[in-house]
Amino acid sequence: DAGVTQSPTHLIKTRGQHVTLRCSPISGHKSVSWYQQVLGQGPQFIFQYYEKEERGRGNFPDRFSARQFPNYSSELNVNALLLGDSALYLCASSLAAGRTNSPLHFGNGTRLTVT
Amino acid sequence: GQNIDQPTEMTATEGAIVQINCTYQTSGFNGLFWYQQHAGEAPTFLSYNVLDGLEEKGRFSSFLSRSKGYSYLLLKELQMKDSASYLCAVLNDYKLSFGAGTTVTVRA
Repeated sequence: DAGVTQSPTHLIKTRGQHVTLRCSPISGHKSVSWYQQVLGQGPQFIFQYYEKEERGRGNFPDRFSARQFPNYSSELNVNALLLGDSALYLCASSLAAGRTNSPLHFGNGTRLTVT
Repeated sequence: GQNIDQPTEMTATEGAIVQINCTYQTSGFNGLFWYQQHAGEAPTFLSYNVLDGLEEKGRFSSFLSRSKGYSYLLLKELQMKDSASYLCAVLNDYKLSFGAGTTVTVRA
């Protein structure tokens, strides 16, 4: 079975531009979460979607938005990019959402560099 | 708020045992996860604890004390491939909050 797939793997953007990152969850997983990981730190929670509805949002500005499609794939959008948005963006899927031992399965991430 | 602390780095010899401690102060608790992350790769799930006590899974074991806000990951019979970052993460409802990770270096 395929794991969580993310595209693109690497991306270079200029300040002020916007970016769309894509994620396909493991087959059968209905929950998708997005995390930002800056070098040397643990992943920081951005969003969780379950059954196409936003279930939670982390402490990120409104420039960050996401959505989940009927096939459970997801997109993360970031507008008006800043240098500080440079990071590894991880998508994770799980069978269920919240309060459960259903572990998150991470994709290999998209490395975003903002210049 | 969430505060999850773990040591930054640890070094051990091949075949030895290493214990990575994690202390947490969080607004809610629905379980604690440990993940392994090799450089440039995705985090991979190692273990989950929701009740106090020890969970053993092959060479890896994880312990939880909810009253003390404390967990540890025990790596036995260390192998070179165990050199990686180990992330402690606390689940609170839908949100997984991670520590900064502990980089373990295994020396021959």
